[in-house]
Amino acid sequence: GQQLNQSPQSMFIQEGEDVSMNCTSSSIFNTWLWYKQDPGEGPVLLIALYKAGELTSNGRLTAQFGITRKDSFLNISASIPSDVGIYFCAGQTRWAGSYQLTFGKGTKLSVIP
Amino acid sequence: NAGVTQTPKFQVLKTGQSMTLQCAQDMNHEYMSWYRQDPGMGLRLIHYSVGAGITDQGEVPNGYNVSRSTTEDFPLRLLSAAPSQTSVYFCASSLMQNTEAFFGQGTRLTVV
Repeated sequence: GQQLNQSPQSMFIQEGEDVSMNCTSSSIFNTWLWYKQDPGEGPVLLIALYKAGELTSNGRLTAQFGITRKDSFLNISASIPSDVGIYFCAGQTRWAGSYQLTFGKGTKLSVIP
Repeated sequence: NAGVTQTPKFQVLKTGQSMTLQCAQDMNHEYMSWYRQDPGMGLRLIHYSVGAGITDQGEVPNGYNVSRSTTEDFPLRLLSAAPSQTSVYFCASSLMQNTEAFFGQGTRLTVV
């Protein structure tokens, strides 16, 4: 099956710092998605990317769909304590007549006030 | 607007017991799916359904059954629970298979 390599696995940063995380794969994806999971909750979609090269922002979050369609990154600027959580990338592709969504293993973000 | 509702939130089972994890959505979404989340493993697809009466296997289907008799409900059944099924289970729904997935709050299952 398809695999996504998400890095880093965890990050400890000071409040106000910028954050960068990324996902890479040997497979091509049609869509890249970034989710955030708060403790005890389900993942919530942050940003969806549909075209190679696409750069999309959502407040302090910026994500890009790599031009090779095999990677994506997520940046968070000026981190705040509520940014704490696990961030997942997910790649979607069409395979065997259906859409398959593959998740990365997550980046656990801790923000030190 | 309830979105995706999962019950129960927590459950402890003995090995060999059976149970059903409930999932309901009120958004009239066609596509529903079940994932399990284990530490360091991300989310792995168990089963999915593209509409009422249609289900299919995901990446890790063994030990789980599903059915989709209505658009709203997509229960996940464990017929004979095993310790390896200790995990957090998430149900998700989306309008279509290739649109944004909305997740429930999860069911934390422990099999002893």
